[in-house]
Amino acid sequence: EPEVTQTPSHQVTQMGQEVILRCVPISNHLYFYWYRQILGQKVEFLVSFYNNEISEKSEIFDDQFSVERPDGSNFTLKIRSTKLEDSAMYFCASSEDEGASPYGYTFGSGTRLTVV
Amino acid sequence: GQNIDQPTEMTATEGAIVQINCTYQTSGFNGLFWYQQHAGEAPTFLSYNVLDGLEEKGRFSSFLSRSKGYSYLLLKELQMKDSASYLCAVRGERVLTGGGNKLTFGTGTQLKVEL
Repeated sequence: EPEVTQTPSHQVTQMGQEVILRCVPISNHLYFYWYRQILGQKVEFLVSFYNNEISEKSEIFDDQFSVERPDGSNFTLKIRSTKLEDSAMYFCASSEDEGASPYGYTFGSGTRLTVV
Repeated sequence: GQNIDQPTEMTATEGAIVQINCTYQTSGFNGLFWYQQHAGEAPTFLSYNVLDGLEEKGRFSSFLSRSKGYSYLLLKELQMKDSASYLCAVRGERVLTGGGNKLTFGTGTQLKVEL
């Protein structure tokens, strides 16, 4: 079964440093997403991406965040200057269509980011 | 805005049946999803409802009433491995101009299955 792959699985970084979280979506999917989950809290939407541009973003996704699809397979989330409150599990997801699928998304296994 | 409510915790006995409820108030609706999430892992898809009624899938069933903004997930013949968090998520109205539709998640219901 096709998978969404995320690397690294864990990342520890110092406050103020830049981090890049990487994702390889399922190859025939066209819609890409980032979600995050702070420990013990709910899964929160960050951003959706389609046709090489952001289609929707949440209030969380401020100027410190950016996304990119640098080639035909990778989808990245960059946090420019990390803060302690950015510590969370970050999930990448992809879907085949824009919202008609009964299967929703396929989520990656996540990157646990710890900012110290 | 979106508001999704589900109980924080539930406990049930192995072999029993448990029903996890979810109520929602959303500005648009294009489907309700249930996901299972084990600690430290990604959510995995369980079920989907977009029309009123019951969808059955093995030991799992999900029900939707759009007029009441209500859904439940029913788990039968509980097994120890069913101990996990169960997430109710609503997809917003389909965006016809392109771009995907985000999911809004509830806080999840932590289910503990005991012997």
